[in-house]
Amino acid sequence: EVQLVETGGGLVQPGKSLKLTCATSGFTFSTAWMHWVRQSPEKRLEWIARIKDKSNNYATDYVESVKGRFTISRDDSKSSVYLQMNSLKEEDTATYYCTTVGPAYWGQGTLVTVSS
Amino acid sequence: DIQMTQSPSFLSASVGDRVTINCKASQNINKYLNWYQQKLGEAPKRLIYNTNNLQTGIPSRFSGSGSGTDYTLTISSLQPEDFATYFCLQHNSFPWTFGGGTKLELK
Repeated sequence: EVQLVETGGGLVQPGKSLKLTCATSGFTFSTAWMHWVRQSPEKRLEWIARIKDKSNNYATDYVESVKGRFTISRDDSKSSVYLQMNSLKEEDTATYYCTTVGPAYWGQGTLVTVSS
Repeated sequence: DIQMTQSPSFLSASVGDRVTINCKASQNINKYLNWYQQKLGEAPKRLIYNTNNLQTGIPSRFSGSGSGTDYTLTISSLQPEDFATYFCLQHNSFPWTFGGGTKLELK
């Protein structure tokens, strides 16, 4: 059974940092391209980042709104993908999902609230 | 970036009705269009991939069609468990973009 479990969300002040983790199992993580998608409180979905696999040099892509602030990374030995979020803004408040394969497989999401 | 315009935003229907939801892309997305269903408190669930391919385990009352810039999700006969929010996603080019969603409510 495919599982993706996001952790690391919480309440953080504007300008601060947070790191999300997505631990996975049940599929061949090392060859999977992994994505982060977020959903605002108004329920709008936004794809924010993707990391390819080793054979594609772990290439990354980001949506413009997070470029230079967010970094996606992965550890194939732990079947995990990460999202380092710096210089957080109130508009980054959302539920963050990791997803893959299609994307058909999604985690349950982790809520990030940016507020003073 | 490719803009995805989804319509309608809200849809009121009854059990047994046939409903259609539309997504229009701002440019050709070459059939790289998925449909998702989301229920309150849950992650999106993929129903259809690449325009018209039914995800394993999804009932055949769900179907997709389209090409170029215009795509449609059809539910042939609504069941009580189908009342949810539906999203389209284009994955033809980065950044991937979603439609704004259609909330399907019981009339």
